[in-house]
Amino acid sequence: DADVTQTPRNRITKTGKRIMLECSQTKGHDRMYWYRQDPGLGLRLIYYSFDVKDINKGEISDGYSVSRQAQAKFSLSLESAIPNQTALYFCATSDLTGEERETQYFGPGTRLLVL
Amino acid sequence: AQTVTQSQPEMSVQEAETVTLSCTYDTSESNYYLFWYKQPPSRQMILVIRQEAYKQQNATENRFSVNFQKAAKSFSLKISDSQLGDTAMYFCAFGGTSGSRLTFGEGTQLTVNP
Repeated sequence: DADVTQTPRNRITKTGKRIMLECSQTKGHDRMYWYRQDPGLGLRLIYYSFDVKDINKGEISDGYSVSRQAQAKFSLSLESAIPNQTALYFCATSDLTGEERETQYFGPGTRLLVL
Repeated sequence: AQTVTQSQPEMSVQEAETVTLSCTYDTSESNYYLFWYKQPPSRQMILVIRQEAYKQQNATENRFSVNFQKAAKSFSLKISDSQLGDTAMYFCAFGGTSGSRLTFGEGTQLTVNP
């Protein structure tokens, strides 16, 4: 089974709708992240969380909100979707300690289309 | 703020040959991490190799190795014995020690030809 899972894998929605993307991990990492990828570009950070009580904005947080329900779960919400939020969304996790510290591991991605 | 630059939007190589992908970065931090990720058509972001800046020895993972030049702020990826499955977009990424984010380059599309 995958260490980092995302649901749904694909989603089509309409302008103005509220949607939620979910991320779960079994790696036991404390840190979780949400990124978006636009065609032909690298990933940009939306939000990140270092533990359940810690939420931080990334470089492109406007129009998004997040919830860290548990160490293993981190969800991303679009309160009122707009077409320029059409993108590929990735969840990632990392650990502060150990041989692979600061290394981010990614989920399979969610492709979102806003009409 | 950190920046990462990949100057080769596209590259191609023949199967079994060697190819090198370039990456330069800019930072004022003294300790940090550098990564290469691979994104095949399946769109999954797969970690290829990781380098810690305080380690002088270049990282290697099977057919993948890096040439890390800290003073020049250069971090290139060498793929030996290229395979068809290596066809993918490759991203260079910078990570600081705060763990807050990765800064990605624009990517290099690598095609391995039979």
